[in-house]
Amino acid sequence: KQEVTQIPAALSVPEGENLVLNCSFTDSAIYNLQWFRQDPGKGLTSLLLIQSSQREQTSGRLNASLDKSSGRSTLYIAASQPGDSATYLCAVRQENYGGSQGNLIFGKGTKLSVKP
Amino acid sequence: DGGITQSPKYLFRKEGQNVTLSCEQNLNHDAMYWYRQDPGQGLRLIYYSQIVNDFQKGDIAEGYSVSREKKESFPLTVTSAQKNPTAFYLCASTDPPGTYESFSGNTIYFGEGSWLTVV
Repeated sequence: KQEVTQIPAALSVPEGENLVLNCSFTDSAIYNLQWFRQDPGKGLTSLLLIQSSQREQTSGRLNASLDKSSGRSTLYIAASQPGDSATYLCAVRQENYGGSQGNLIFGKGTKLSVKP
Repeated sequence: DGGITQSPKYLFRKEGQNVTLSCEQNLNHDAMYWYRQDPGQGLRLIYYSQIVNDFQKGDIAEGYSVSREKKESFPLTVTSAQKNPTAFYLCASTDPPGTYESFSGNTIYFGEGSWLTVV
């Protein structure tokens, strides 16, 4: 059974800092990995998607990396801003549907607070 | 614009009542999902559907039911058998792997969510 873990569960940083969020998964048979942002009381917004054959993806101040063999992904946020405050979730897409687990497995998220 | 629409945004259920949450997508996606999110918790899978007229139970399907009669619609019914239904419900959709050749394909899209409260 695939398990996705995100560390830390919460993170507070001053504005302007560069930071790294971590995501690890136990089964390397994934099709892709996606990072999301969730604001309080809202749905999830896709930030970056990395296919299993890729090593990283970049969008603006965000950079996501994937090391499939070690079961790890990181989300790097450069020059953090108060508007970056949200919960960040990662999800792996399995190559196969895993019964009651489905094929999309989510971590519990990292709650980020960027203080002015 | 393409996307997923969930309704209603807020819903109140009385004891013993069934309620239905709507999820509609115009992205032409085959796969659709329902998740439950409790405060401060991660997402838990209720039901998913890989294709029209087919669906499977997720980890917490008890007390819920779904249908998938049309590709664009995947309604979730919270039945009276669900003893603790107060939560935030999220619907998602995506295409099967390999649908697109570009690396931006197979993105998972979410609706804005529905809040269900028992009164």
